[in-house]
Amino acid sequence: GQQLNQSPQSMFIQEGEDVSMNCTSSSIFNTWLWYKQDPGEGPVLLIALYKAGELTSNGRLTAQFGITRKDSFLNISASIPSDVGIYFCAGQRRFGNQFYFGTGTSLTVIP
Amino acid sequence: KAGVTQTPRYLIKTRGQQVTLSCSPISGHRSVSWYQQTPGQGLQFLFEYFSETQRNKGNFPGRFSGRQFSNSRSEMNVSTLELGDSALYLCASSLRELGEQYFGPGTRLTVT
Repeated sequence: GQQLNQSPQSMFIQEGEDVSMNCTSSSIFNTWLWYKQDPGEGPVLLIALYKAGELTSNGRLTAQFGITRKDSFLNISASIPSDVGIYFCAGQRRFGNQFYFGTGTSLTVIP
Repeated sequence: KAGVTQTPRYLIKTRGQQVTLSCSPISGHRSVSWYQQTPGQGLQFLFEYFSETQRNKGNFPGRFSGRQFSNSRSEMNVSTLELGDSALYLCASSLRELGEQYFGPGTRLTVT
């Protein structure tokens, strides 16, 4: 099945730094979701986006729905050790259609 | 509100056997989706049930099947297990058909 291209694949950053990651697709999506997954657990929904250009925050996390509708971005400000994990994007072409998931960005925060 | 629960959390099976996994969605959620997660293929959509009917299906062989009960609980069955079926199987529920997906902790299946 289709997978979304997520970059970077991994990041090693110092505590307190800001983080940016993105997700791109060759198809247009009308919904973007961002998840965080800890080892041995299921993904946890962080942010949902439904409109092109939309910018939504959840605490230190901010996500944007790209204007082209083919990409989305996630930023984490002032990273802390508990931000460690794998971040996934998920896109949906139309309501009621299946979600396609990104390949994941592994984040390591060095105290 | 309780989250999505999945049982069992871990399972070891032998090639050729069959397995049934269970998922209880968030209360009030009528859509249940199943995903397979492996290091090589990532998160892949298996199928989705809404009001006891399969509404969407991914590209998996017929050995993978599921059902949903009237209380929205769902089961997934894999028959004639293969080594490549070893994976984390995730269940997700949503209010509307394939809406925002809320995941359970997963069932780790190992096929030997």
